[in-house]
Amino acid sequence: EAGVTQFPSHSVIEKGQTVTLRCDPISGHDNLYWYRRVMGKEIKFLLHFVKESKQDESGMPNNRFLAERTGGTYSTLKVQPAELEDSGVYFCASSQLGQGSGNTIYFGEGSWLTVV
Amino acid sequence: KQEVTQIPAALSVPEGENLVLNCSFTDSAIYNLQWFRQDPGKGLTSLLLIQSSQREQTSGRLNASLDKSSGRSTLYIAASQPGDSATYLCAVDRNNRKLIWGLGTSLAVNP
Repeated sequence: EAGVTQFPSHSVIEKGQTVTLRCDPISGHDNLYWYRRVMGKEIKFLLHFVKESKQDESGMPNNRFLAERTGGTYSTLKVQPAELEDSGVYFCASSQLGQGSGNTIYFGEGSWLTVV
Repeated sequence: KQEVTQIPAALSVPEGENLVLNCSFTDSAIYNLQWFRQDPGKGLTSLLLIQSSQREQTSGRLNASLDKSSGRSTLYIAASQPGDSATYLCAVDRNNRKLIWGLGTSLAVNP
């Protein structure tokens, strides 16, 4: 069974450009999360989808960030326009709804973004 | 506001040693706590998840304990191997699915 997959794995863009990160969760996982780690800082929550609905987007830094989850399957995170401080690793994660082992959150390998 | 602290920030040990990684959190109202592993340039792998009602979880050479009242968790690694070298992170969940993370402990196990 495929895990959480993210694309691109690495991206270098210039300040002011647009980047779109994609995440494919584990099949059947209704919960999808985006997290970010900026160098030297702890990992921070960005937002949480349940199926196609945004359950919690309180961690989104500002309106330059837009996340979507079309049809409750894959998700995209767009940064437009990108700023230098947006550099970091963007992790996507997914989990099943419900209790017990479904609480385990599975992470992708991250999309490493560098804004120059 | 929940804060998670991990000590030590870095650890270097010879192969075969038993070791303990520490995680503390300021708000004891947690739903669960997870330990993750991150290899350089790689993603996050869940190692152990402890529900708030549990005291410990074990998987192979790994044992994680949880003391909610004191706001502490430890990850015990027995008979460490070079392949255990990685960054270990703990994260707490307050049942809102927003994990709060520590900065991690960077572990190097030397052959």
